[in-house]
Amino acid sequence: RKEVEQDPGPFNVPEGATVAFNCTYSNSASQSFFWYRQDCRKEPKLLMSVYSSGNEDGRFTAQLNRASQYISLLIRDSKLSDSATYLCVVNTGNQFYFGTGTSLTVIP
Amino acid sequence: GAGVSQSPRYKVAKRGQDVALRCDPISGHVSLFWYQQALGQGPEFLTYFQNEAQLDKSGLPSDRFFAERPEGSVSTLKIQRTQQEDSAVYLCASSLDRSGRNPGTQYFGPGTRLTVL
Repeated sequence: RKEVEQDPGPFNVPEGATVAFNCTYSNSASQSFFWYRQDCRKEPKLLMSVYSSGNEDGRFTAQLNRASQYISLLIRDSKLSDSATYLCVVNTGNQFYFGTGTSLTVIP
Repeated sequence: GAGVSQSPRYKVAKRGQDVALRCDPISGHVSLFWYQQALGQGPEFLTYFQNEAQLDKSGLPSDRFFAERPEGSVSTLKIQRTQQEDSAVYLCASSLDRSGRNPGTQYFGPGTRLTVL
């Protein structure tokens, strides 16, 4: 079983839509959690960390459920510029485990 | 300020050649990571340094892969006798954290795209 499982999509949504991505992780000892964004042929960039209490940054909301070992990302009012691959990342010890990424295309 | 840089950006090697990939982390960053990203996949962990110490190399796929960071700043990933399955983007990331317990936010370089013919 992979450390991090993520629905690869693709998700194709119209501008203004709300879209949610989910991710599960296998190691209950994992310490910290992140969402990264990766544009085509570019390096991953941190979108936001994920905290147990849930956290919000503008149109983006991240949730962590430690009991279910589940992480989510909600994007409200999607913009064309949100089109990218979203990577779920779990830190366990010294290692960072990445999901395969979920592809999002926002359509005009 | 300057981010993480990597060189070369692109490398084409014949099967059996040795290659060396360089990473210049953000100045002052303690932690340095190497990842391998195949097409359509997320980055896969290769190895981790805290300063000059290689604390985890469990992700290196074979003994043909070797990484070093002798002075705790620049790092080199070397691949000996390259094979076609080594073709991938090799990403380097650095982070500031000094504790070693929580590597913290990583900043990625642009990657080196390696193609083995």
